[in-house]
Amino acid sequence: IVMTQSPATLSVSPGDRATLSCRASQSVSSNLAWYQQKPGQAPRLLIYGASTRATGFPARFSASGSGTEFTLTISSLQSEDFALYYCQQYNDWPLTFGGGTKVEIE
Amino acid sequence: QVTLKESGPVLVKPTETLTLTCTVSGFSFSNAKMGVSWIRQPPGKALEWLGNIFSNDEKLYSTFLKSRLTISKDTSKSQVVLTMTNMDPVDTATYYCARIVMVQGIIIYVFDIWGQGTMVTVSS
Repeated sequence: IVMTQSPATLSVSPGDRATLSCRASQSVSSNLAWYQQKPGQAPRLLIYGASTRATGFPARFSASGSGTEFTLTISSLQSEDFALYYCQQYNDWPLTFGGGTKVEIE
Repeated sequence: QVTLKESGPVLVKPTETLTLTCTVSGFSFSNAKMGVSWIRQPPGKALEWLGNIFSNDEKLYSTFLKSRLTISKDTSKSQVVLTMTNMDPVDTATYYCARIVMVQGIIIYVFDIWGQGTMVTVSS
């Protein structure tokens, strides 16, 4: 299953809303996760089950979708949110990741 | 607190075999079901899942790399070992091991605890 993320880069001002998209080449049901990765660090699980927030992330992070279309929303960007975000499907083998969206400061 | 740490060579030559070790702390493979995956990330590129191993020795490999990969474990040392044969420059990447999430005994194939990663360069 090919995971396509858009846009590749998202330029946003602090305090603004960011919306990231992830599309699957076939249905993955709700078996979709999001990760946040900062430079020089390992990825960190952000969302699983398409919308369940992982431990340690604030409520400004939300996610939705099912089937082939998924969205990650950061409601009011803080300085620590500028990072790379990856989606990952776990509905079928092999597990696959999207190409990532870089959220940068505008 | 569960931690994972990768170790292994920084540099390997083309055609050589890579062996990486993931040492797990804070959890015992022998006491409960636990799964560990290997995932890699070429410089500036996306993540690629390589394979899984569980404490019951159940394994699964990426279709694309299956012929080159072996994942094993040493329960007594709390280590998971990745072996990749016939290394090529395109295999240059940061290699991570990561814990597979289990919620109330149900496996969810996402990764909640990651090692720091180890950068492997393939070059002659």
